[in-house]
Amino acid sequence: GAGVSQSPSNKVTEKGKDVELRCDPISGHTALYWYRQSLGQGLEFLIYFQGNSAPDKSGLPSDRFSAERTGGSVSTLTIQRTQQEDSAVYLCASSYTGIQTQYFGPGTRLLVL
Amino acid sequence: GENVEQHPSTLSVQEGDSAVIKCTYSDSASNYFPWYKQELGKRPQLIIDIRSNVGEKKDQRIAVTLNKTAKHFSLHITETQPEDSAVYFCAAKMDSSYKLIFGSGTRLLVRP
Repeated sequence: GAGVSQSPSNKVTEKGKDVELRCDPISGHTALYWYRQSLGQGLEFLIYFQGNSAPDKSGLPSDRFSAERTGGSVSTLTIQRTQQEDSAVYLCASSYTGIQTQYFGPGTRLLVL
Repeated sequence: GENVEQHPSTLSVQEGDSAVIKCTYSDSASNYFPWYKQELGKRPQLIIDIRSNVGEKKDQRIAVTLNKTAKHFSLHITETQPEDSAVYFCAAKMDSSYKLIFGSGTRLLVRP
């Protein structure tokens, strides 16, 4: 079946602009995660959604970062007033439930000039 | 909270040799340990995982061992091939938790 998809695959923006990154999880997966991967680094947890529960936003690095998940499916990660240090690959993952195996999307490579 | 350390950061082996990557974790309550492989420019993919009720798990050329007393687990790749070249990430979490804590990754290069 279809895996996790993300769009856009690449995004180049100017410092100070807002960006929106989209994630489509695997159908039927109730849990959705966002991670950030800086060049040559590991995966940094950003935010977690589980069904209709309040999301765990504990990993968001600043109030410029926000995310929502509409209808328990598609999620959007928004970065306001982008900074150069926001440049990274943003990965989305989903799992059947919050304690099951996570499957990753291909990521969005964000470059802030 | 949980902390996962991974070593080495880079590993170069000759094709056909074995490769071993080691991870240690801090939270003794962790009991699920997956390994992900990430090829250049691609998504991380689960290659093997282990739960704390077993000490070793094998899948063809890949094996993972777990020592709960010492709080460390290792990935073993035998008869390495050039297509094994990638970055490998270990992770840990409690079964009751959703949060995977990742190691910093190991870049494996298999020389033909």
